[in-house]
Amino acid sequence: GQQLNQSPQSMFIQEGEDVSMNCTSSSIFNTWLWYKQDPGEGPVLLIALYKAGELTSNGRLTAQFGITRKDSFLNISASIPSDVGIYFCAGQHPSKLTFGKGITLSVRP
Amino acid sequence: DTAVSQTPKYLVTQMGNDKSIKCEQNLGHDTMYWYKQDSKKFLKIMFSYNNKELIINETVPNRFSPKSPDKAHLNLHINSLELGDSAVYFCASSQTKASGRVGVRDEQFFGPGTRLTVL
Repeated sequence: GQQLNQSPQSMFIQEGEDVSMNCTSSSIFNTWLWYKQDPGEGPVLLIALYKAGELTSNGRLTAQFGITRKDSFLNISASIPSDVGIYFCAGQHPSKLTFGKGITLSVRP
Repeated sequence: DTAVSQTPKYLVTQMGNDKSIKCEQNLGHDTMYWYKQDSKKFLKIMFSYNNKELIINETVPNRFSPKSPDKAHLNLHINSLELGDSAVYFCASSQTKASGRVGVRDEQFFGPGTRLTVL
């Protein structure tokens, strides 16, 4: 079946630093999404990407839909403590959402 | 102004019991989903309903039976609970079917989850 690869499993950064996360797939997706999950909560949509090559920003977050439609990245600039959480990429095609395994981000003050 | 809500938040029960989890969305969406998140945080789709019609069933044991009385509700009933059913179950909804068609905006919005513990 389709699988999305996110690595590393955990990332540790200093407050104020920028961080980049990649997501790759063996299959093509028509839509890429990035979600963040806080402890005890459901995933919250951060950014959705609909076209290959699309670059979209949401505040300090920037995400891009790879040209090959098999990858995406998420950048967080000037990290703050509330950025901690699990970041999931997800690909949508053709009729369901497939999630990566998530990256747990820790931000040291 | 809750968008996708689930009850209960926590559910602790004995093996062999039957239990239900309820989900409601007030977004006016046509499609609802159930996901299971295991102890390693891996999220996997279980079911999807569009306008009360089952459209995705991901090889889930038939002890799990979703029921959609109307398009704003999708409940999950689990019979004969097993230890391996312990997980967090998330409900989600989207405006249309998750068709993956190019350029179609059908993002999924998730509920807060129900942590099921089977003893």
